Amino acid sequence: DAGVTQSPTHLIKTRGQQVTLRCSPKSGHDTVSWYQQALGQGPQFIFQYYEEEERQRGNFPDRFSGHQFPNYSSELNVNALLLGDSALYLCASSLAGWTGGHLGYGYTFGSGTRLTVV
Amino acid sequence: AQRVTQPEKLLSVFKGAPVELKCNYSYSGSPELFWYVQYSRQRLQLLLRHISRESIKGFTADLNKGETSFHLKKPFAQEEDSAMYYCALMEPSYGKLTFGQGTILTVHP
Repeated sequence: DAGVTQSPTHLIKTRGQQVTLRCSPKSGHDTVSWYQQALGQGPQFIFQYYEEEERQRGNFPDRFSGHQFPNYSSELNVNALLLGDSALYLCASSLAGWTGGHLGYGYTFGSGTRLTVV
Repeated sequence: AQRVTQPEKLLSVFKGAPVELKCNYSYSGSPELFWYVQYSRQRLQLLLRHISRESIKGFTADLNKGETSFHLKKPFAQEEDSAMYYCALMEPSYGKLTFGQGTILTVHP
């Protein structure tokens, strides 16, 4: 099992452009969460997708949007990129309803996509 | 709103010394708390969670609701413990994690 797979690993975009990041969850997981990790900071929750719908959203503008497909994979889209969007974007998958009960069902993080906006 | 505070950005100890990484939280309900670790060039991974009261790699953490703390401890630090450590709080209903800013632990030989 490859765990959570994210693509691409690195990306450079120009301010004002749009970007799409992709995530394949760990086998058996059905929920995908996205986090933004700025340099020197802890990850910040962007949103979570379950059953192809956004279930919860953090304090991020509408420029950040997402999608979940029937195979549970997910995309994160960011429009009108700003320099401040430069960060490591992490995807985490889990099984719906996991609240820490069984370690195997819990959050599994991908390696992230490093986005640089110039 | 929930918040997780890790007051130490950097922590250095010598091999064999005890280590304690501090974590304080604010949350209106009954939180679920975790410690995550990120070794150099590796992905973020779960170290331990408070509900299991388990010990992983010699680390333990006790939830103190009175002090709203969840400090991570290890009696004898090893060089391989050098990593970034994040304390995180989960809202039980949706599994959203709120992370602290992290503590870089360096264990010197």
